[in-house]
Amino acid sequence: GAVVSQHPSWVICKSGTSVKIECRSLDFQATTMFWYRQFPKQSLMLMATSNEGSKATYEQGVEKDKFLINHASLTLSTLTVTSAHPEDSSFYICSARQPAGWANEQFFGPGTRLTVL
Amino acid sequence: GENVEQHPSTLSVQEGDSAVIKCTYSDSASNYFPWYKQELGKRPQLIIDIRSNVGEKKDQRIAVTLNKTAKHFSLHITETQPEDSAVYFCAAPLSGGYNKLIFGAGTRLAVHP
Repeated sequence: GAVVSQHPSWVICKSGTSVKIECRSLDFQATTMFWYRQFPKQSLMLMATSNEGSKATYEQGVEKDKFLINHASLTLSTLTVTSAHPEDSSFYICSARQPAGWANEQFFGPGTRLTVL
Repeated sequence: GENVEQHPSTLSVQEGDSAVIKCTYSDSASNYFPWYKQELGKRPQLIIDIRSNVGEKKDQRIAVTLNKTAKHFSLHITETQPEDSAVYFCAAPLSGGYNKLIFGAGTRLAVHP
């Protein structure tokens, strides 16, 4: 159990275009999902917390107008990178928490490698 | 907010030796400390975690110890094998709800046959 999927697994786009990444919890409902960004040989940096039915909360330094998050259902959160630039190229990973009773454990998606040309 | 420091950044051991990775955290209210293993290009996978009501937890060759007074926790891998080679991350929750995790910088472990 506790499987999280992401789509696409990789994407290449031109500078200035927008890219949408989907994160799904396949066998449980996730009221809270998290989006991370990981540059090569670096740690996971939390970008934002996605809350079902409400606005996402962003970490300091993350532009909410550039990284649009929508958590429309209990099993799906989307991250849209708007007007992407080469510096946005990174590995984007989502995670989801199981419902109350399972406390803190987060389950990660397989990640999406974004390359902006 | 929480600050997590992890050492060493790289660790090289011979197969069969033990490996120890240490992390310190700053928020005394933190109560959950997971360790993740990440292979190149893959997702982080939880390998062991510990909650603040215990001082040690063991799962086969992997153990985690927690010292709440000193605010540090450590990952111990015994009888290392080449397949243990990966990047290991510790994490601690950021206060303020949602149990957001803050990750350490990572330790690249290389186990040589």
